[in-house]
Amino acid sequence: QKEVEQDPGPLSVPEGAIVSLNCTYSNSAFQYFMWYRQYSRKGPELLMYTYSSGNKEDGRFTAQVDKSSKYISLFIRDSQPSDSATYLCAPSRNQGRKLIFGQGTELSVKP
Amino acid sequence: DTGVSQDPRHKITKRGQNVTFRCDPISEHNRLYWYRQTLGQGPEFLTYFQNEAQLEKSRLLSDRFSAERPKGSFSTLEIQRTEQGDSAMYLCASSPTSGRYTGELFFGEGSRLTVL
Repeated sequence: QKEVEQDPGPLSVPEGAIVSLNCTYSNSAFQYFMWYRQYSRKGPELLMYTYSSGNKEDGRFTAQVDKSSKYISLFIRDSQPSDSATYLCAPSRNQGRKLIFGQGTELSVKP
Repeated sequence: DTGVSQDPRHKITKRGQNVTFRCDPISEHNRLYWYRQTLGQGPEFLTYFQNEAQLEKSRLLSDRFSAERPKGSFSTLEIQRTEQGDSAMYLCASSPTSGRYTGELFFGEGSRLTVL
């Protein structure tokens, strides 16, 4: 079993839709949970991070972590064509340690 | 531009040749990471440095791979006797060791390797 599993998609939605991206993980030692966004031919960039369980909101983006079920979610409200990218979940045991990335979900938002 | 810089951006080589990639991290960042990413996959961890010390290496890093960060600044990743399976994007990232949150990795745009 992979440490981090993510539905690879691709996922195509119309502009304005609510998008739900999900990951599961197996290592209960993970404490930090990050979402990276990667545009085509670019390196990943940090979108959001959360510590332990709970929700975190940043504009149109909401990250949720449920440690009891080892489930991570990213919600995008009012999706825009500029959100079209690959979204990577990346949990970590502690700050400064290596990140284990999921496979990435390719999202396309159609105008 | 003060981001992570990688060179070359694209390298095409024949099987059996050696290749070297260079990474210049953000200047105040102590940690430097190398990842490999193949098409349709997330980045896979290869190795990381804190200053000049290589602290962890993945099992993916076979004997043909070697990484150095001699003065704690730039780093090189060398692949000897390249194989077609080495074709991938090699990503470098750096992160600070102080500040409110030190877990964020700042990635470069990657060096794409094509082995013919």
